[in-house]
Amino acid sequence: EDQVTQSPEALRLQEGESSSLNCSYTVSGLRGLFWYRQDPGKGPEFLFTLYSAGEEKEKERLKATLTKKESFLHITAPKPEDSATYLCALRSSDSNYQLIWGAGTKLIIKP
Amino acid sequence: ETGVTQTPRHLVMGMTNKKSLKCEQHLGHNAMYWYKQSAKKPLELMFVYNFKEQTENNSVPSRFSPECPNSSHLFLHLHTLQPEDSALYLCASSPGGARGTYEQYFGPGTRLTVT
Repeated sequence: EDQVTQSPEALRLQEGESSSLNCSYTVSGLRGLFWYRQDPGKGPEFLFTLYSAGEEKEKERLKATLTKKESFLHITAPKPEDSATYLCALRSSDSNYQLIWGAGTKLIIKP
Repeated sequence: ETGVTQTPRHLVMGMTNKKSLKCEQHLGHNAMYWYKQSAKKPLELMFVYNFKEQTENNSVPSRFSPECPNSSHLFLHLHTLQPEDSALYLCASSPGGARGTYEQYFGPGTRLTVT
């Protein structure tokens, strides 16, 4: 069964303290893995798509990486405005339309 | 207006009411989606429209009824809801049709409370 697990459930960091969020997955065939950011009371905002192991993408303080079993979202020198819930989702080759979503990691950056 | 818009942003309804949620995408996309988001749970896909045709209905109760009159508009008609239906309802769209591995763009959601 295709599955996505995100850890930790919540993460509190000091401003400037770098860390990583984890998205572990089991899938029959990976067609794409997505990272989103969601602020309270808003819809998810698309960040990255990764397609194959070894691929990396960067945007400002965020860097997403992908292996055959997991993806990491690395946050370098975070600022309070990076506080949000980060969601991971994947498209399986077994699915025509559905994304499989993780429950998210709530990131809090304290000034 | 840009992106994906949803109205209303907040809705309180009784269990016997009938209401509708509206979604409009200004991105020229070919696929639109309804999701339900409950606290601390993964997003639940409810309906998918691909080129205006409904292609997925994830065992959603009949008290939720979708409508897609054209590729830019999507509605979710609600009637005789239950308190457990209280959640954030999100609309999304994606380019190139629902079968491709395309990113989805979300609206701000409608916070629904059923009393």
